[in-house]
Amino acid sequence: TQLLEQSPQFLSIQEGENLTVYCNSSSVFSSLQWYRQEPGEGPVLLVTVVTGGEVKKLKRLTFQFGDARKDSSLHITAAQPGDTGLYLCAGNTGNQFYFGTGTSLTVIP
Amino acid sequence: EAQVTQNPRYLITVTGKKLTVTCSQNMNHEYMSWYRQDPGLGLRQIYYSMNVEVTDKGDVPEGYKVSRKEKRNFPLILESPSPNQTSLYFCASSSGHQETQYFGPGTRLLVL
Repeated sequence: TQLLEQSPQFLSIQEGENLTVYCNSSSVFSSLQWYRQEPGEGPVLLVTVVTGGEVKKLKRLTFQFGDARKDSSLHITAAQPGDTGLYLCAGNTGNQFYFGTGTSLTVIP
Repeated sequence: EAQVTQNPRYLITVTGKKLTVTCSQNMNHEYMSWYRQDPGLGLRQIYYSMNVEVTDKGDVPEGYKVSRKEKRNFPLILESPSPNQTSLYFCASSSGHQETQYFGPGTRLLVL
């Protein structure tokens, strides 16, 4: 089983702070996706990265794919309470997807 | 509205009683998938389908069956459910295996 490890597992920060979530694996992925999941709902895609070293920005969120395509990071600048949720990374190899264990983020007003 | 629907949303059953969770998408997607989500383990892929009549095992297929007779439907079948299959199940679809996956609302299953 290919496992994606996310860290930290839980994160509680004050509004306005910056944070980084990491997604690491010993496996190479053809693409990597980041999802956000709200309680009682299915995950919703935030971004897909496919090229090693790729950086994508989505407003206050910055996503980076490692050069070797084994790891990724999600950086949030000036976190807002609306950023609260479960963040999941997912790696694609062949036709299968492998999800990380998730990072539960709470942003305190 | 483009969506993935799952039924039922909640289900309590007993060990050994066969059940089916339905999944349907209206986006004409070729790729469909079933996941289970458990605390501390994240989402794990059970089965996926690249197209009609094409299904393959994911990471945790034991105890599950699927079928893909029509493009829009991808039911998950538990022939003889056991308590370790108590979980939150998600169906997802996408236009290709590397494209955006759209998830259903989830089915929470409790096997007694």
